[in-house]
Amino acid sequence: AQSVTQPDIHITVSEGASLELRCNYSYGATPYLFWYVQSPGQGLQLLLKYFSGDTLVQGIKGFEAEFKRSQSSFNLRKPSVHWSDAAEYFCAVGAGNTGNQFYFGTGTSLTVIP
Amino acid sequence: DSGVTQTPKHLITATGQRVTLRCSPRSGDLSVYWYQQSLDQGLQFLIQYYNGEERAKGNILERFSAQQFPDLHSELNLSSLELGDSALYFCASSSPLDTLNTEAFFGQGTRLTVV
Repeated sequence: AQSVTQPDIHITVSEGASLELRCNYSYGATPYLFWYVQSPGQGLQLLLKYFSGDTLVQGIKGFEAEFKRSQSSFNLRKPSVHWSDAAEYFCAVGAGNTGNQFYFGTGTSLTVIP
Repeated sequence: DSGVTQTPKHLITATGQRVTLRCSPRSGDLSVYWYQQSLDQGLQFLIQYYNGEERAKGNILERFSAQQFPDLHSELNLSSLELGDSALYFCASSSPLDTLNTEAFFGQGTRLTVV
């Protein structure tokens, strides 16, 4: 069965520091992978997505993620965090063979210290 | 702006009551998804419709039901409401199934408070 694991419930980083949010997935075929960000009281906004090709994908707001098939991972990174990056981050896998289902992880809450 | 519209934004109702949440998907999107987000359960998939037909069911209670109309808008009906149903309810839409390069576009959500 498809599933997504985000092992870190909450992460705190200092402004200007680098960031890596972990995501592991379970899926039998080639996955479609997504990272979404949710600011308080807001909907989810797509940061980036991976379907095929280059395993390092660039997204909005300076984020990038790397697909590693051997590790079933799709970790999100940012070299220098800004205070405005404080939010909830969700990793998701899309399963086309079950009718475009999206399976979300439980999310990682990011706090940025000035 | 994702192009997905949800109404109302906020809803306060009493236990035992019934409410209807509405979602208008992005223009051209045939799939509509409903999610419930609460503090203790995270983002839970409830149900998916594709072009008017139920496509997949998640953790949706029997007290809840949904439908997608010919104009593709969708409604989520919640009845016999309990305090624990208080949550953010999100609608998302995506492009047709035969379009592999797709993603879910989320609305701003409806915050339901049951008192």
